[in-house]
Amino acid sequence: EVQLVESGGGLVQPGGSLRLSCAASGFTFSYYPMNWVRQAPGKGLEWISSISGFTSTISYADSVKGRFTISRDNAKNSLYLQMNSLRADDTAIYYCAREREYCSSNTCQKYYFGYWGQGTLVTVSS
Amino acid sequence: QSVLTQPPSVSGAPGQRVTVSCTGNTSNIGAGYDVHWYQQLPGTAPKALIYGNDNRPSGVPDRFSASKSGTSASLAITGLQAEDEADYYCQSYDSSLSGWVFGGGTKLTVL
Repeated sequence: EVQLVESGGGLVQPGGSLRLSCAASGFTFSYYPMNWVRQAPGKGLEWISSISGFTSTISYADSVKGRFTISRDNAKNSLYLQMNSLRADDTAIYYCAREREYCSSNTCQKYYFGYWGQGTLVTVSS
Repeated sequence: QSVLTQPPSVSGAPGQRVTVSCTGNTSNIGAGYDVHWYQQLPGTAPKALIYGNDNRPSGVPDRFSASKSGTSASLAITGLQAEDEADYYCQSYDSSLSGWVFGGGTKLTVL
């Protein structure tokens, strides 16, 4: 059974840093692209970063580029999000999500967010 | 302001059919990228509902269906049940942003 368990959330002051972790189990972690998605209180989902499996190709949403760093340790089956220069509008539940591959119209290597963790709450406030 | 536009809310009585629209542009849905839909029950993490425009993951009832045309997509729920009350999000990839994008979400109320 695929399991994703986030940790590391908490209360941090504006300008501070926090490192989130996502422990993965039930699948071969290194094979799959992983993502961080956040949800501010009462708001919708916002994709913030993704990292591929083997090549570790990385991308970020503009809202976090230059402040957040995604990484993974395939030996530890873990995904990380280093968050620096935190602002009040970074307050949110942060979810890690594993991509799941599918085939369509004779093309494979297409992906959707097939598995989600339960999320960890980050509160940025003085 | 989300890149993909959804109505903030929809509602229907038990047994009825409702639809949720998702409108994008030529950098995402209109560029040929697939649309996925997620259901988020109150207080829980999102769950995949539809992938690849019109496919249901195992375990999702066939009351849920979806389609895509041009720069838009649509989710349909037939035979509404109280347990369908949730937030629904569409998702696609955006080539100009080089990343995934979500719709703003639609709250379904079962009357």
